Amino acid sequence: SQQGEEDPQALSIQEGENATMNCSYKTSINNLQWYRQNSGRGLVHLILIRSNEREKHSGRLRVTLDTSKKSSSLLITASRAADTASYFCATALGSSNTGKLIFGQGTTLQVKP
Amino acid sequence: DGGITQSPKYLFRKEGQNVTLSCEQNLNHDAMYWYRQDPGQGLRLIYYSQIVNDFQKGDIAEGYSVSREKKESFPLTVTSAQKNPTAFYLCASSIGIWGDYEQYFGPGTRLTVT
Repeated sequence: SQQGEEDPQALSIQEGENATMNCSYKTSINNLQWYRQNSGRGLVHLILIRSNEREKHSGRLRVTLDTSKKSSSLLITASRAADTASYFCATALGSSNTGKLIFGQGTTLQVKP
Repeated sequence: DGGITQSPKYLFRKEGQNVTLSCEQNLNHDAMYWYRQDPGQGLRLIYYSQIVNDFQKGDIAEGYSVSREKKESFPLTVTSAQKNPTAFYLCASSIGIWGDYEQYFGPGTRLTVT
């Protein structure tokens, strides 16, 4: 079973709508990161949220973290066609587990113009 | 421009041949990583290096080898022992090791072995 699992696996919305992606994990974490990947490209870091934080914003992005439910969500507001990409959550395990960064399988977002 | 580069973008090899993928960074980062990504999947860690002349196996190191002779460079060799080498390979770097730091990724190398 995966440490980080995204939901849904795929999401299709119209331009201007909001997109919400969820990530669940199993073991305790130091922090959780979200990355974006355009098709056939490398990943780009979006946001890092620490285990003692509950919410973080960056432009049109809002990330929440609920450590009691072991889950995080990424909200993209007022989506644009250029937001079409795959989005990955990555959990940084606690130091007792070497602090390794583990990536989920991603949510593929399509924003239709 | 600071960044991380990988070459080539596409690589084709015959089965049984070793192939080396290049990864260079000018970000002055200590830590570097190699990941493998298969279609529709997340990233799996192959090798990582915290500092020059030191590297450790990740989750799927079998059939791969690396070196870290210079801080800027972390080449990955896919050997003939790797049973299913066709994949998208991503190199990354970070200021320090692991998850306290964001990772910067290169553009990737798509390897096809026939």
